[in-house]
Amino acid sequence: AQSVTQPDIHITVSEGASLELRCNYSYGATPYLFWYVQSPGQGLQLLLKYFSGDTLVQGIKGFEAEFKRSQSSFNLRKPSVHWSDAAEYFCAVGERSQGNLIFGKGTKLSVKP
Amino acid sequence: NAGVTQTPKFQVLKTGQSMTLQCAQDMNHEYMSWYRQDPGMGLRLIHYSVGAGITDQGEVPNGYNVSRSTTEDFPLRLLSAAPSQTSVYFCASSFGRPYSSEQYFGPGTRLTVT
Repeated sequence: AQSVTQPDIHITVSEGASLELRCNYSYGATPYLFWYVQSPGQGLQLLLKYFSGDTLVQGIKGFEAEFKRSQSSFNLRKPSVHWSDAAEYFCAVGERSQGNLIFGKGTKLSVKP
Repeated sequence: NAGVTQTPKFQVLKTGQSMTLQCAQDMNHEYMSWYRQDPGMGLRLIHYSVGAGITDQGEVPNGYNVSRSTTEDFPLRLLSAAPSQTSVYFCASSFGRPYSSEQYFGPGTRLTVT
């Protein structure tokens, strides 16, 4: 069965520091991969997605992610974190047979001033 | 464009009570879904719909009913509330199938069952 693992439950970084959030997936074929962000008290918003082609994808708010098939990973990065990036981040894989998304359990990001 | 709207924002129920969580979207999306979010569990799919009149079960459907009489609305009914249904509920819609399309989420309904 398809699955998504986000190994880090909670990460704290200083404002201005770089960020990498990890995501590993289990899927037989080429996956559809997504990163969503949830600000406190809000619904989820799409940051970026990967379907095919260039393995480095750019998203909104200065985020990017790299698809590495050999490592079954789709890690999210940002070169310089802002206090407004404090939120929970969810990686998700598209499950073709049923047509739905499978979400990871999320990584909560805290930003120190 | 209001996007995806959900009502109410907060609700407290007693065990055994029933209620309906409302969800509406004004983007003419065919696909709509209900998720529940529990701490440390991520989002889990309850029910989904691929168009008016068509619904199907997700990962955790027990205790919930849905119907889709119009493209815009997708209400979620709790038949007999249980404390295990305490959660935050999100409705989402997408133009295409969720596995390959951006989903637009509502702001959520926080439900407490006592």
